[in-house]
Amino acid sequence: DTGVSQDPRHKITKRGQNVTFRCDPISEHNRLYWYRQTLGQGPEFLTYFQNEAQLEKSRLLSDRFSAERPKGSFSTLEIQRTEQGDSAMYLCASSLDGTGTYEQYFGPGTRLTVT
Amino acid sequence: KQEVTQIPAALSVPEGENLVLNCSFTDSAIYNLQWFRQDPGKGLTSLLLIQSSQREQTSGRLNASLDKSSGRSTLYIAASQPGDSATYLCAVRNQGGKLIFGQGTELSVKP
Repeated sequence: DTGVSQDPRHKITKRGQNVTFRCDPISEHNRLYWYRQTLGQGPEFLTYFQNEAQLEKSRLLSDRFSAERPKGSFSTLEIQRTEQGDSAMYLCASSLDGTGTYEQYFGPGTRLTVT
Repeated sequence: KQEVTQIPAALSVPEGENLVLNCSFTDSAIYNLQWFRQDPGKGLTSLLLIQSSQREQTSGRLNASLDKSSGRSTLYIAASQPGDSATYLCAVRNQGGKLIFGQGTELSVKP
C-alpha cells in the first residue's frame, strides 16, 4: 500500500519563473487536497478535488495559481510568475470520502524556494 | 470563521515524563479532529482521528480527547521518549472537508 507521493521534493527557482508540482494520491482515494505551509506555521488550505471536480478554492489561491486533477487521479499545482512570497512547503493530502473515517493522509511535501 | 489555537507553542521535558498538549477551536460544528506529527522539513503523519461523536481515541502511548461543546482537545503522551521530539499539529475538519490547523506545539524530549 503506497502512500501519497509528491514530486519534486525540492524546487529552487528564480522570481518570475513558472513551476509545476505533482501529487499522486493513495490509489482508491477520491478526494485530493493542497495545502501550503510557511516556516513556523500550520498548513493552510489551498484547494481540493473530489474525483476530477475542483470543489473549493481558498482566497490564498491567487490568479497565478492553478490546480488540475485530470481523470481524477494525480493532480498538478502550477504557480505562474513566482514571487518570493511563494516560498513555502506545498503539501498534498488525500482521503476516501463517503465511507470510513474521512482521514486525510499527507505526502512528504514539495519545498519551493524562490530566489 | 473557524480558528484553531495550540498551547504551548513549545515544550521541553525530560525523558519519561507524561505530558499534555492542548488544542482549542472556536466553532463547535466540526466533522472530526486529527492530531498530526511533523518532523523538521517533512510531511505530516496522522496520529489519531476523533470523530465529532467520539470523546477519545487511543493508540499506544497516545490518547486524544475531544470536548466539542467547549471547543477543546488534548493529546496525552505517556512516558515520553527522545524519539517523540517533533512538532504536533491539531486540525479540525469542517463539513466541507478542508482541515483548519493550529500553529503547532514544538516538543523536545531531553534524554
